[in-house]
Amino acid sequence: DGGITQSPKYLFRKEGQNVTLSCEQNLNHDAMYWYRQDPGQGLRLIYYSQIVNDFQKGDIAEGYSVSREKKESFPLTVTSAQKNPTAFYLCASSSVSVGEQFFGPGTRLTVL
Amino acid sequence: GIQVEQSPPDLILQEGANSTLRCNFSDSVNNLQWFHQNPWGQLINLFYIPSGTKQNGRLSATTVATERYSLLYISSSQTTDSGVYFCAVRDTGTASKLTFGTGTRLQVTL
Repeated sequence: DGGITQSPKYLFRKEGQNVTLSCEQNLNHDAMYWYRQDPGQGLRLIYYSQIVNDFQKGDIAEGYSVSREKKESFPLTVTSAQKNPTAFYLCASSSVSVGEQFFGPGTRLTVL
Repeated sequence: GIQVEQSPPDLILQEGANSTLRCNFSDSVNNLQWFHQNPWGQLINLFYIPSGTKQNGRLSATTVATERYSLLYISSSQTTDSGVYFCAVRDTGTASKLTFGTGTRLQVTL
């Protein structure tokens, strides 16, 4: 079954801790993306990667870091420097950089 | 950057009614997608439609790129159509970024 998986579904973090959100795809897509959604809002781009070992900042990259060591995987780390990390995080992928994007089920992060 | 506006922001329909959702954008685009976000947060792809008209069952979409708008039509609405509908665009100047509108929240009642 082809698709995008994200884990965990829910994540609770204490202030000052770094956490890593997982995103895996088996669609053989080259490009992967991380978006953040706040309540009642649309999605905003955090980071994206078009090829392995390369990634670019999106509109709201401050306080986040990513890696792309494998084509299938694009983990996102929310660092303690992110001032307001409580949000819904969605990962997406596409076959080419201008192609149709498909989304995973998301991770809800809450900072306690 | 490109601006995306969706209207109406909220819509309440009785089951069986038809509706039209609108997406206006401020610049030329090479990608436009419509999504349905269900109550669990999952974004479901409805249409990839940078131009032209497409239909999928009770849903159809039209994008008039030269006039910078897109319309999503929902016919014979069902309660399962409830949720938030997003339009997202990629302008011709950017490699990968999708810019989302703030969505139309649809509630279909019995």
